[in-house]
Amino acid sequence: ETVLTQSPATLSLSPGERATLSCRASQSVSIYLAWYQQKPGQAPRLLIYDASNRATGIPARFSGSGSGTDFTLTISSLEPEDSAFYYCQQRSKLTFGGGTKVEI
Amino acid sequence: EVQLVESGGALVQPGGSLRLSCAASGFTVSSNYMSWVRQAPGKGLEWVSIIYKSGTTKYADSVKGRFTISRHNATNTLYLEMNRLRAEDTAVYYCASTVTYYFDNWGQGTLVTVSS
Repeated sequence: ETVLTQSPATLSLSPGERATLSCRASQSVSIYLAWYQQKPGQAPRLLIYDASNRATGIPARFSGSGSGTDFTLTISSLEPEDSAFYYCQQRSKLTFGGGTKVEI
Repeated sequence: EVQLVESGGALVQPGGSLRLSCAASGFTVSSNYMSWVRQAPGKGLEWVSIIYKSGTTKYADSVKGRFTISRHNATNTLYLEMNRLRAEDTAVYYCASTVTYYFDNWGQGTLVTVSS
């Protein structure tokens, strides 16, 4: 079973700074990885699919990269509303990483 | 506009049963893959089950043999029948439309609490 490990657990940054979140797979998932944002009390929202494709309506400051076992979600210039948990998910077994909390 | 509305969450005793519903609007449940994803209090996300357009179903090992996913085409509703519930099934349960195995639209969730 492929395990997804996210780091760091918590990221504390200021508005306007760049956030870099990591998701590492225990074996290759090719490009088949997604990223979700979840704010307190809300359902998750799909941000990125197939490693680098932004979902509909997602601002351009969110970008994804990577393939194989190492993936990155980058938020180029943080806005206060980006405070949330971020989860990666692999397609083959539909499993999620443990999440990264972004505090702004 | 796609909308998913879950209902049916409740407090139930260990060993009990519950049926969750997810009413869909803005798209057709039977023409899409549909999933249930849960989130235990203060924890991360866990995929529970999927039903394909063909009607084929799959389950996470943690619920296999106890949970059943189904849909009712006439009412455009997705269901999750949960039996032999355990304390570790306590979670918010979300239904989600699933495109190429990614969860693109989510409901607001319904809370299931398993406790005596």
